[in-house]
Amino acid sequence: EAEVAQSPRYKITEKSQAVAFWCDPISGHATLYWYRQILGQGPELLVQFQDESVVDDSQLPKDRFSAERLKGVDSTLKIQPAELGDSAMYLCASRLSGADTQYFGPGTRLTVL
Amino acid sequence: GENVEQHPSTLSVQEGDSAVIKCTYSDSASNYFPWYKQELGKRPQLIIDIRSNVGEKKDQRIAVTLNKTAKHFSLHITETQPEDSAVYFCAASRDRGSTLGRLYFGRGTQLTVWP
Repeated sequence: EAEVAQSPRYKITEKSQAVAFWCDPISGHATLYWYRQILGQGPELLVQFQDESVVDDSQLPKDRFSAERLKGVDSTLKIQPAELGDSAMYLCASRLSGADTQYFGPGTRLTVL
Repeated sequence: GENVEQHPSTLSVQEGDSAVIKCTYSDSASNYFPWYKQELGKRPQLIIDIRSNVGEKKDQRIAVTLNKTAKHFSLHITETQPEDSAVYFCAASRDRGSTLGRLYFGRGTQLTVWP
C-alpha cells in the first residue's frame, strides 16, 4: 500500500540555524498539507497545496517558515532561523482530489536546542 | 475558525471493557468528522469517519455517533484490547468535497488498555 514519505525522521538543530523537511505524497494526490504537532496536542495546519499552488498558508509564520511544491509532487518545508518554540513533530499529509481521507506521513521530529 | 474540544485527555480501561471518547465542535457548517489513531512514534492513521448526513457508523468494534444539533460526536470502542492503546484524535472539517479539506483536530486522548 502506498504511503506518504517524509525525511528526515529526526532533526536536532541549534536555534538560529536553518532546517528543511521533505515530503513525498502518495502518487496522484494533488492536495498536500503540512501540519505541526506540539507534544500533547493535535496537529495544526501550517500550509496547504493544491498541485503546486498554495491554497491556505494563513497559519504559517511567514517571517521564518517557507514551503514549496515546485512541480506539484514532493514538497519542502523550511525554517530559518529556527527558534526553541519550533520544537515539534512536523507532519505531512496528502489527499486525493474529491476524496475525504487525509493520509499522514511518519513525521519529522524537530528538536531545537 | 473551527474549535474542536476532546475529552477525556486520558482514559484507562480494563481489557474487554468499552471506551468512549467525546468531541464537540463549534462550526455548524462542519460536515466531515474523522478519527485518527496514533501509536507511539508512528503516523496518525484513520480508523473511522462520519459525514454530516449520517448519525452513526460502525466498523467491527469501533463506532462513531454524530449529533449535529448538539454539535458533538463520539468514538466508541467495544471489547477493548491492549493493542487499542494509543492516542486518539478527533477532527472536523467544513470543506468536505471541496479543494480545501482542512482538518481541525482535538487535543487527543491517551487510551490505555490494561490486560
